[in-house]
This record gives sequence, C-alpha cells and structure tokens, in this order.
Amino acid sequence: SAVISQKPSRDICQRGTSLTIQCQVDSQVTMMFWYRQQPGQSLTLIATANQGSEATYESGFVIDKFPISRPNLTFSTLTVSNMSPEDSSIYLCSVSQGILGNQPQHFGDGTRLSIL
Amino acid sequence: LAKTTQPISMDSYEGQEVNITCSHNNIATNDYITWYQQFPSQGPRFIIQGYKTKVTNEVASLFIPADRKSSTLSLPRVSLSDTAVYYCLVDGYSTLTFGKGTMLLVSP
Repeated sequence: SAVISQKPSRDICQRGTSLTIQCQVDSQVTMMFWYRQQPGQSLTLIATANQGSEATYESGFVIDKFPISRPNLTFSTLTVSNMSPEDSSIYLCSVSQGILGNQPQHFGDGTRLSIL
Repeated sequence: LAKTTQPISMDSYEGQEVNITCSHNNIATNDYITWYQQFPSQGPRFIIQGYKTKVTNEVASLFIPADRKSSTLSLPRVSLSDTAVYYCLVDGYSTLTFGKGTMLLVSP
C-alpha cells in the first residue's frame, strides 16, 4: 500500500494565522482526501482534492477557510485559514487508487493542530 | 446518504473471537463496506473491504447479508494489541461516511 507522509505532524498556532499542511505519497494515486478528526471523535470528510482542478468540498466546509491544492498525483496541501480555537483538531490526509469506493483508503498519521 | 451505526464500545478477553456489527440501512447499490482500525495518535489503518457475502483475509473476516443493510467484522482470537477503535465506512458514489467507531478493549 501507499506510504503517506504528512507535515507537520503537530503545530501550535496563534489565532488569526494560517497553516498549510502537506501530504506526500510515495506513488501516484487516483484520489486524495482531507479529513478532520476532533479528539475522541470520528472522522469528518472536508474535501476531495482533485488533480489540476478545484477541490470538491463537503457541506459545512468552504474553500476560503480550507483552500486545497493538488498539483500532481502524489502531493496535496490543505491550508487552515484565519484559525480560531475551534479549528483545533487532527487533520488527516488519505489516498485511494479507486474512484468508486472499491479500493480502500490509506491514511497518513495526521497533523495535530492546536490554536491558542 | 448512507449513515452507519456501531456499538460505542465492546469488551473482550485475549483469545476470544470478537464480532462488531455495523448497520447501514441506506446503503446504495454502488457502495462498498470498509473497516478500519485506529490506534491513538495514528491514522486509521485498512482492515478489510467487501461488497456482499463473506470476505476473509489474514487478520479478519467480513460478513455481509444479502440485503447489505449491515455488516459484521469478525476478529478471531484477539490479543491485547487489538485494543483500538474500529470504524465502519460505507464508500461509493454516496458521501464517504464514517461511523462513530467502536472502542474495543481487550483484557488479559
């Protein structure tokens, strides 16, 4: 399975600032996703990162707050903009070789973000 | 949207078989059922995936009845290292919807 590297693994940020999280995969993948996971909670899909086009956002998530880039088939970034304490969470990148759900996702170990 | 429901927690002892059931009444024709395991401070790890009937791999089995409205993850002979949160995911044309997860605690 693909090896996913997320950077940074954790960060502490001041409110009002922005942070960009990187997701690097060791092989080309079809699909890349970004999730948020509050401590002790399940995963919530933020968006699907589309190569060469705008990301597809889930309800409740907007591009101005969570801009996403995917310049190629092995790399994506998620920016958390104008951060507030409510954005404190774990952000996870996942990848899949399938487009119809018939291939499992493989996850990075996440970025633990704390906003002061 | 396919919503999933799982037990919040389960307890077991080493060496026992554990079965975790997930309900997904609104599963769509093109949806697959995937189970993940998550340890603290790690991303979820793929366990098994199926569409219908039974699937088995080296670590688990997945049972899916004909109506596909539920699925059961079976872990044979669990060990202490199987203590983790287990998530059921319904994945396909519908939104990727993770359940709330089942916290499995394995005791000696």
